[in-house]
Amino acid sequence: KNQVEQSPQSLIILEGKNCTLQCNYTVSPFSNLRWYKQDTGRGPVSLTIMTFSENTKSNGRYTATLDADTKQSSLHITASQLSDSASYICVVSADDYKLSFGAGTTVTVRA
Amino acid sequence: DVKVTQSSRYLVKRTGEKVFLECVQDMDHENMFWYRQDPGLGLRLIYFSYDVKMKEKGDIPEGYSVSREKKERFSLILESASTNQTSMYLCASSLSPGANVLTFGAGSRLTVL
Repeated sequence: KNQVEQSPQSLIILEGKNCTLQCNYTVSPFSNLRWYKQDTGRGPVSLTIMTFSENTKSNGRYTATLDADTKQSSLHITASQLSDSASYICVVSADDYKLSFGAGTTVTVRA
Repeated sequence: DVKVTQSSRYLVKRTGEKVFLECVQDMDHENMFWYRQDPGLGLRLIYFSYDVKMKEKGDIPEGYSVSREKKERFSLILESASTNQTSMYLCASSLSPGANVLTFGAGSRLTVL
């Protein structure tokens, strides 16, 4: 069964600090992995997409990494801002286009 | 910008009532999806549609039905709402199934009493 596990479930960080979110998956065959950001009361919005051959991809202060051998991805947030407070969802796509969603990591940034 | 609009942000219904959740997208996307989102669980696919009048069951279709009479509109129907259907419902659309770039609506939070 295809599964996506995210850790931690939640975290609190001070404004200006960095943090890293983890995503482990068992989806096979693997097509791509996408990170979404979901602000409270809104739908998820795509941050990055990574295919099998990509190791790192950045979007501003967000950097995603992918290790296809160990089936792990991480999302690193640099110099966090209050607006980074949100839920971050890891989504893995299989070759048949079926999507598997992680439960998300809730990030709270405090001033 | 692609826009996916869900007509109701918050609804409170009673057990046994029929519930309609409406979703409209304005970018001529072929594919539309309904998910439910519950704490501690990932998004779960209820139904999806790749074309007008076409529908396919997702992972948790029991207790739900859908309607897609027009390309831009995809409705989720709860024929007889139950308390275990209290949830956040998210509608999404995409240009093609393989792209998996989903554009989500803001969600409809349904409470069934």
